[in-house]
Amino acid sequence: GDSVTQMEGPVTLSEEAFLTINCTYTATGYPSLFWYVQYPGEGLQLLLKATKADDKGSNKGFEATYRKETTSFHLEKGSVQVSDSAVYFCALSSGGSNYKLTFGKGTLLTVNP
Amino acid sequence: GAVVSQHPSRVICKSGTSVKIECRSLDFQATTMFWYRQFPKQSLMLMATSNEGSKATYEQGVEKDKFLINHASLTLSTLTVTSAHPEDSSFYICSARDLRGGGETQYFGPGTRLLVL
Repeated sequence: GDSVTQMEGPVTLSEEAFLTINCTYTATGYPSLFWYVQYPGEGLQLLLKATKADDKGSNKGFEATYRKETTSFHLEKGSVQVSDSAVYFCALSSGGSNYKLTFGKGTLLTVNP
Repeated sequence: GAVVSQHPSRVICKSGTSVKIECRSLDFQATTMFWYRQFPKQSLMLMATSNEGSKATYEQGVEKDKFLINHASLTLSTLTVTSAHPEDSSFYICSARDLRGGGETQYFGPGTRLLVL
């Protein structure tokens, strides 16, 4: 079945540091890939997505590229801010009749001033 | 982007009572909505898939008589936790599938924190 493996946290960085959160997947066919962010006490917000190989999703300075050859979708940001502190979830959807999402376990990011 | 709301955001109830949680898509129609449960510091666990006008599809291990789902319109799904007990205390999150732009994207509500005393 489908699965998503993401980097174990927690990750602690200083403001303006470079961020990478690794995500790899196993899926049948050609899934769509997503990064969601969850701030404390809130639901999930879609951060970015990519629907086919070599697509790059980007939003708010975050980027991730759909790499079919390495089955990866690593999240990167060049300079993190304190406000980026949150839990980040990598997810995939293999389509089908309902487009269910399969989530990774989440990575807690803390950015210190 | 698409907006999904949930109500209430927080509820405290006594053991044995039932609690209804609403999930609404505010600016798009959602034929499919999903209900998740999230335990502290863990990922989301899919409970059920709710399709407008038909019965919900429950994931393995989720009691359908315990967690009643109704999706009576294209913008509203409800989850009723019946005869709630303390072990049902959790963070419940819904999402709605947006058919625009390919239909693969789910937008999430802000969640409902349930505490059963």
